[in-house]
Amino acid sequence: QTVVTQEPSFSVSPGGTVTLTCGLSSGSVSTGHYPSWYQQTPGQAPRTLIYNINTRFSGVPDRFSGSILGNKAALTITGAQADDDSDYYCVLYMSGGSWVFGGGTKLTVL
Amino acid sequence: EVQLVESGGVVVQPGGSLRLSCAASGFTFDDYSMHWVRQAPGKGLEWVSLINWDGDNTYYADSVKGRFTISRDNSKNSLYLQMNSLRAEDTALYYCAKGIAAATLFPFDYWGQGTLVTVSS
Repeated sequence: QTVVTQEPSFSVSPGGTVTLTCGLSSGSVSTGHYPSWYQQTPGQAPRTLIYNINTRFSGVPDRFSGSILGNKAALTITGAQADDDSDYYCVLYMSGGSWVFGGGTKLTVL
Repeated sequence: EVQLVESGGVVVQPGGSLRLSCAASGFTFDDYSMHWVRQAPGKGLEWVSLINWDGDNTYYADSVKGRFTISRDNSKNSLYLQMNSLRAEDTALYYCAKGIAAATLFPFDYWGQGTLVTVSS
């Protein structure tokens, strides 16, 4: 069974830039996986950031951007702010109609 | 404003059954696919199931296949998840999520606040 991989944790300084990645235990992430990204703070429902690789959801600041870098999907935060301190999840579309989340990345801004 | 309100989460014994509901408003319900996503306490997100706009196509995670059934009633703007043969590992906060489009190739955008299912004796 294919596993979606994310860095367990990452840290960034306020104002800095960080790139979180989303890969596959076997194979490469491609456009056909329609990678999407979600942010979640403790006790809250997830918030949609990016879908279909690089489409920013309504109201999401342009410091968040999505792409495919090499064989992985990527979420880049440019000019990190304190309230970006959250968990970030990617999700990929798999053949047969199913979706699979990565394990999430805990981002610390300090 | 899009609103998704889940209900039906309770404490249930292993092997039991439960039906979750999600009441949708603020958008044309039958124009969109719908998903269920769950999150076990202290754990990450897990996609559970997907239904297309008219209910003709449904998909499930391997972990729930054969035990859970997703359905919808477009006349009532409601989504459902029938959960049978419940196990301790099904304990989680269950979120209803709106698909970005009618087609199942698109993920979800709006989320409800979740309903808690606890499977315990």
